[in-house]
Amino acid sequence: QITLKESGPTLVKPTETLTLTCTFSGLSVSTSGLGVGWIRQPPGKALEYVALIYWDDDRRYSPALRSRLSIIRDTSRNHVVLTMTNLDPADTGTYYCVYRVGGRDGYTWGRGTRVTVSS
Amino acid sequence: EIVMTQSPLFLPVTPGEPASISCRSSQSLLHTDGYTYVDWYLQKPGQSPQLLIYLGSTRASGVPDRFSGSGSGTDFKLEITRVEADDVGIYYCMQSLHIPLTFGGGTKVDIK
Repeated sequence: QITLKESGPTLVKPTETLTLTCTFSGLSVSTSGLGVGWIRQPPGKALEYVALIYWDDDRRYSPALRSRLSIIRDTSRNHVVLTMTNLDPADTGTYYCVYRVGGRDGYTWGRGTRVTVSS
Repeated sequence: EIVMTQSPLFLPVTPGEPASISCRSSQSLLHTDGYTYVDWYLQKPGQSPQLLIYLGSTRASGVPDRFSGSGSGTDFKLEITRVEADDVGIYYCMQSLHIPLTFGGGTKVDIK
């Protein structure tokens, strides 16, 4: 059984850096064809792509957020880490970790982690 | 980026009746491999989105056959043959042909 769990701070101050972790169980982040990413959802709003990293370390960032993002795979801890710098209240929302194996299946979503950016 | 436009915004439904949601993309979602890269997700109240349909018309594991996806090119549809109370929530279409992944604005389905 594959499970994924997001973790990170619930409250971050403006201009600070956010670090979110997506930890896998039952699936190695080195699995060929695996793509792991982050999607966020501001309160009451629609879904927004943030970033993806593939099993071969190909990284794809949201063009709107690219300058503030970093995504890495940590194979020793079997997790994916998203870092977002210079946070703004507009970054408030629920951040979901998603994954799919192979390029055609849909994405499986984690339960999400809620982040509030406020002083 | 590819823009996904859903309609309607709100869809009140009667249990046992059919329902349909439309999604249009700003460019064709047909890949050169012959597959069409559009998914449908349902976000039930208080939950994360769950996959219903991928590649336009393939039901995800465990999804009832009341749900079906259709369409091609830039126009897609999600249909529910007989709505049940458990089907309430926000439905999203998403394209995965190009990064960034982009989503429709969502259709909120509620019981009349």
